[in-house]
Amino acid sequence: EPEVTQTPSHQVTQMGQEVILRCVPISNHLYFYWYRQILGQKVEFLVSFYNNEISEKSEIFDDQFSVERPDGSNFTLKIRSTKLEDSAMYFCASLGATSYNEQFFGPGTRLTVL
Amino acid sequence: AQTVTQSQPEMSVQEAETVTLSCTYDTSESNYYLFWYKQPPSRQMILVIRQEAYKQQNATENRFSVNFQKAAKSFSLKISDSQLGDTAMYFCAFMKPTGANSKLTFGKGITLSVRP
Repeated sequence: EPEVTQTPSHQVTQMGQEVILRCVPISNHLYFYWYRQILGQKVEFLVSFYNNEISEKSEIFDDQFSVERPDGSNFTLKIRSTKLEDSAMYFCASLGATSYNEQFFGPGTRLTVL
Repeated sequence: AQTVTQSQPEMSVQEAETVTLSCTYDTSESNYYLFWYKQPPSRQMILVIRQEAYKQQNATENRFSVNFQKAAKSFSLKISDSQLGDTAMYFCAFMKPTGANSKLTFGKGITLSVRP
């Protein structure tokens, strides 16, 4: 069964450093998402991406964040200058036109900012 | 904007018993989808069940069923014959139909513990 993959599973970084979180969505899916979950809290929407551009973003997704689909398979989330409060689990999800409105989630990347 | 409210932070149930998790939502949309996701300690997000708002019939998936009350904007999850493996965090979520703006909006979640 096709699945969404994410790398790395855990990333530790120093405050102020740039990080890139990588995702490989399901191959025939068209809509891509990043969500964030701070430990013990709810899952929050960050950004959606369709047709090679951002279709919607939340207030969390400020100028420090960017997304890219560089090669038609990977979908990346970049945080330019990490803050302590960026420590969270980051989930990638993808949605196909025929997947019955189900977003398929990757296993997540745990980001720890020291 | 849509909001999803899960007012119970945690619940506990005896193995083999039935438990109901509550969820309410607010939206001005007429067509939408509602979901329950399970998040075990591994933190993987697992879809439990989905409900299309245009369908009056409540969705069921084996031991899981929902009570969808569109007028009341209520969407509760019933777990029958609870099993130890059901111990997890459960999130209720709302989504507009598939399209460029079909993000998921989640509630705060409820921690369910199944006691042996």
